[in-house]
Amino acid sequence: QSVLTQPPSASGTPGQRVTISCSGSSSNIGSNIVNWFQQLPGTAPKLLIYSNNLRPSGVPDRFSGSKSGTSGSLAISGLQSDDEAEYYCATWDDSLNGVVFGGGTKLTVL
Amino acid sequence: QVQLVESGGGVVQPGRSLRLSCAASGFSFRNYGMHWVRQAPGKGLEWVAVIWNDGSNKNYADSVKGRFSISRDNSKNTLYLQMSSLRAEDTAVYYCARRYQLLMDYWGLGTQVTVSS
Repeated sequence: QSVLTQPPSASGTPGQRVTISCSGSSSNIGSNIVNWFQQLPGTAPKLLIYSNNLRPSGVPDRFSGSKSGTSGSLAISGLQSDDEAEYYCATWDDSLNGVVFGGGTKLTVL
Repeated sequence: QVQLVESGGGVVQPGRSLRLSCAASGFSFRNYGMHWVRQAPGKGLEWVAVIWNDGSNKNYADSVKGRFSISRDNSKNTLYLQMSSLRAEDTAVYYCARRYQLLMDYWGLGTQVTVSS
């Protein structure tokens, strides 16, 4: 299983706000930044949030990130149908000396 | 704009070797570290390896340590992944990604590697 723990699925209706959690430990999230990636079906991952809560140019402000202790969180407000995708958190792990990912959360817009 | 294009994937028998390439453009390649990340069919993302911008430091996931080797040629703006002693469980789409703040920002489109007899 993955070093970082994410719920396998999440869902919401258009316009709703959903939150996806990412739980780690002191050797990873507790001491390093968290990034979030969006992967649409059949495509490569795309950076959504970096350095815990910053958005790259072009990412709507409906997407926001936060970090507290050994957990990170991605929030999506004003849910839209094209937000349906797999979402992954990632961070550096000081013990493993490498990048660790969450198992991914499949977001469904009902 | 930043572009990363992987190549070299294909079907290979267990125990054989394969070398992947990642051609970079649109940024100063020599100033950035680079990652390889893979995704097995229907599975999540798995980090494989990272190399510092000057090639001075390399780290590997335990699952590939001793079998895979990451390298780069800054004169050719190209990243490589030499894979040997391939196993069925190495079957995946392999992505290269630019290193930013220890993690990754831009990703390539990926190249498929299938290990099968």
